[in-house]
Parts: sequence; C-alpha cells; structure tokens
Amino acid sequence: EAGVVQSPRYKIIEKKQPVAFWCNPISGHNTLYWYLQNLGQGPELLIRYENEEAVDDSQLPKDRFSAERLKGVDSTLKIQPAELGDSAVYLCASSTRTSGRANNEQFFGPGTRLTVL
Amino acid sequence: GENVEQHPSTLSVQEGDSAVIKCTYSDSASNYFPWYKQELGKGPQLIIDIRSNVGEKKDQRIAVTLNKTAKHFSLHITETQPEDSAVYFCAVAGAAGNKLTFGGGTRVLVKP
Repeated sequence: EAGVVQSPRYKIIEKKQPVAFWCNPISGHNTLYWYLQNLGQGPELLIRYENEEAVDDSQLPKDRFSAERLKGVDSTLKIQPAELGDSAVYLCASSTRTSGRANNEQFFGPGTRLTVL
Repeated sequence: GENVEQHPSTLSVQEGDSAVIKCTYSDSASNYFPWYKQELGKGPQLIIDIRSNVGEKKDQRIAVTLNKTAKHFSLHITETQPEDSAVYFCAVAGAAGNKLTFGGGTRVLVKP
C-alpha cells in the first residue's frame, strides 16, 4: 500500500514569492491534515479536513496561507507571499475515521522542506 | 489549549541499555496518547499508542505507561539498538478527536 505522497520534497524561494505544496493521502483515508514542523520542534497542526470540508483551521494564518481539498482526496497548501519565518518542513498526514472511535493512527508523508531566502 | 511537555530533549544510551522518555499534559479530558519516531528526512511514524482506558501497553521492546491522575505518560525502550537512534515525539489528543498536540521531541542516540 502506498503511503502519503508529498511534492515537492524541497523548495527554495525568495521572500514575497508564492509557493504551493501538494499532498496525496492514503487511499480511502477521509481525514487529511497539514502540519508545520520547525527545526527541532514537534509538528503543529495547521488545518484538518474531513473529506472536502475544513473542520479545524484555527491555526492557519489566513492572511497568507490557504488550503483546499477538492473532491476530498488530494490537497494543496499555498503560501502567498512567503516570509523568511515560513522556512520549515510542511507535513501532510491522513487517517481513517472509525465509528465510535475519535482518534485513529495518523500516517505522515515525508514532508516538504521549504527554505525562504 | 492542550500543553504537552517532553523530557529529556536529548538522550544518549549505550547499546543494550534502556531508554525512558516522559511527557506531561494539561488537559484532563485527553484520551489518546501516541508515540512517534522520526528519522532524518522522513515524516513521523507511529510506534505505539495507548488510550485512556489502559494503563500500560507493550509491543516487543517498546512499552508505554499512562498515569491519568498525574497526567503523564512514558515511553520505555529496552535492549536499545543503533537503529533506535532517532527523534521521538509524544502526542496527545482529546475526546473531540483527531487533533494531536505534540511534545517538543527527544533526540535519542544509541551508541554501539
């Protein structure tokens, strides 16, 4: 079974430029997450989707970040314009939803390492 | 919101020895406690998890213990091997579901 796929793996841009990250979750996983991981820290949730609906985007900086999950499968996270402080690893994860169980294992992709110069 | 603290931040052990990582959390309603292992250049991978109705869980060389009263849980790795070297993260989620709050991570180095 293929895992969570992310692209690109690395991205270097200059500040004020736009950037986009793509995620393909595990087949059949209806919940998709985007996390931000700063160097030496744990992942922090940016947004969570249940199918195509964003059910938790409280940590997403909406002035410059946006995300979409059309058709409830693939997802794209965009930053426009990028700032120096956005340099980090952006992780995508997916999980299933089991009736009667609130939390199931989240499977993470390899992440996209963003460097903003 | 939930606050998760993880200690130590780095841990160096001799191959064959045991390693213990501890986490505390703040929200007494939390009920799901996974541990993730992250190797360089890869995403975190679940190694073991425990739910609030269980006090201890073991899977071969790794085990997790949970003390809900004290709001802390620990990861135990026995008979450590060089391939156990990685960064380990604890995480916590509540009854609302699917929202993980991670600890700051522990870098484990197993010396041959």
